[in-house]
Amino acid sequence: DIQMTQSPSTLSASVGDRVTITCRASQSITSWLAWYQQKPGKAPKLLIYKASNLESGVPSRFSGSGSGTEFTLTISSLQPDDCATYYCQQYNTLGLTFGGGTKVEIK
Amino acid sequence: EVQLLESGGGLVQPGGSLRLSCAASGFTFRNYAMNWVRQAPGKGLEWVSVISFSVGRTHYAESVKGRFTISRDNSKNMLYLQMNGLRVEDTAVYYCAKSWDTAMDDAFDIWGPGTMVIVSS
Repeated sequence: DIQMTQSPSTLSASVGDRVTITCRASQSITSWLAWYQQKPGKAPKLLIYKASNLESGVPSRFSGSGSGTEFTLTISSLQPDDCATYYCQQYNTLGLTFGGGTKVEIK
Repeated sequence: EVQLLESGGGLVQPGGSLRLSCAASGFTFRNYAMNWVRQAPGKGLEWVSVISFSVGRTHYAESVKGRFTISRDNSKNMLYLQMNGLRVEDTAVYYCAKSWDTAMDDAFDIWGPGTMVIVSS
């Protein structure tokens, strides 16, 4: 299976800060990467698909970039509602795999 | 409204069996691949299984292969997961998730709220 490694595992930032989360794949997944947001006790929510495409209804402060093995999720101006855990997921190859998650907190 | 709703979770002893169900509504169920994803308490997400939009093709995570069986009934808009030989490490919230398109290897755009499975003696 393709291994997905996220960093950092936790981050603390202030409201209005620009936040970046990195996801690395153990082999090339071209652009077959998704990002999800999960709040405590809730199901994950799709934010970004195919590395950089914003899912309908997701605020434009979220953006994704990258290809091959390195990807980033950026929140341009962190809001209190963005406190959550974020996961990347590769769907290049069956044996779909997720990163370990990044917990985002407000300072 | 597009919706998925899981049921069938509960407490089961190691070695036991359980069948999860997922009722779909608000979209043309037969046109999409469907998945099960699980999350152990305090842990990350783990994809479990996928079934193609037309019944026949399935794929499983190595951790459940040979023990779990995914199936669907397109006439009833239902997805199932038969879990046999349950282990303590199968304890998790199990989510039903819709593939974004027809492909089996895809992102998941709709998730159910999940159903809890606890394997314990």
